[in-house]
Amino acid sequence: SQQGEEDPQALSIQEGENATMNCSYKTSINNLQWYRQNSGRGLVHLILIRSNEREKHSGRLRVTLDTSKKSSSLLITASRAADTASYFCATDDYKLSFGAGTTVTVRA
Amino acid sequence: GAGVSQSPSNKVTEKGKDVELRCDPISGHTALYWYRQRLGQGLEFLIYFQGNSAPDKSGLPSDRFSAERTGESVSTLTIQRTQQEDSAVYLCASSLRVFSSYNSPLHFGNGTRLTVT
Repeated sequence: SQQGEEDPQALSIQEGENATMNCSYKTSINNLQWYRQNSGRGLVHLILIRSNEREKHSGRLRVTLDTSKKSSSLLITASRAADTASYFCATDDYKLSFGAGTTVTVRA
Repeated sequence: GAGVSQSPSNKVTEKGKDVELRCDPISGHTALYWYRQRLGQGLEFLIYFQGNSAPDKSGLPSDRFSAERTGESVSTLTIQRTQQEDSAVYLCASSLRVFSSYNSPLHFGNGTRLTVT
């Protein structure tokens, strides 16, 4: 069964706009990770946030974690066409469970 | 350095045939994972290896699926008597160590796209 569930399923934005996607999970975690998948490729690790952290930044990425609500959000600021991809959250039960992903399309 | 390598990148096979998918992890990574991804869907966990041992095989969809790893390196995923529902992308990933409180991230290969006709 999936632990992380991303929302929305799909997102279409204009280049330069921000994109926000959410992840909800069911059981307690030690950390949560976000990955990106470009079409036809494997997943690439973006950022890891630990359960005792509330917010983390990496370049144009901002991740928040609310363990009381069992949710996380990923914000991509000033989006670019190259950000077009699917984004997955993953939680750290031993098999690193992935959600179904959010597909982001950035229009030029 | 070299990333995770999977071969073949594409495989078309007839229903009922056996297939072998190969994964070369990053050197020194003790943990190796196999996932299945159906078109437009998320990742379905199949199996993971700690060294050459597979502590949990419960994610394998049926007894037609098996996997092994040797030399704490290469892994092969074998699907016997393939069925059309086996069509998917099979992704392999490796990490420095198996999950802990301070996870090392997974490094993925580009996958093997399997089509069963």
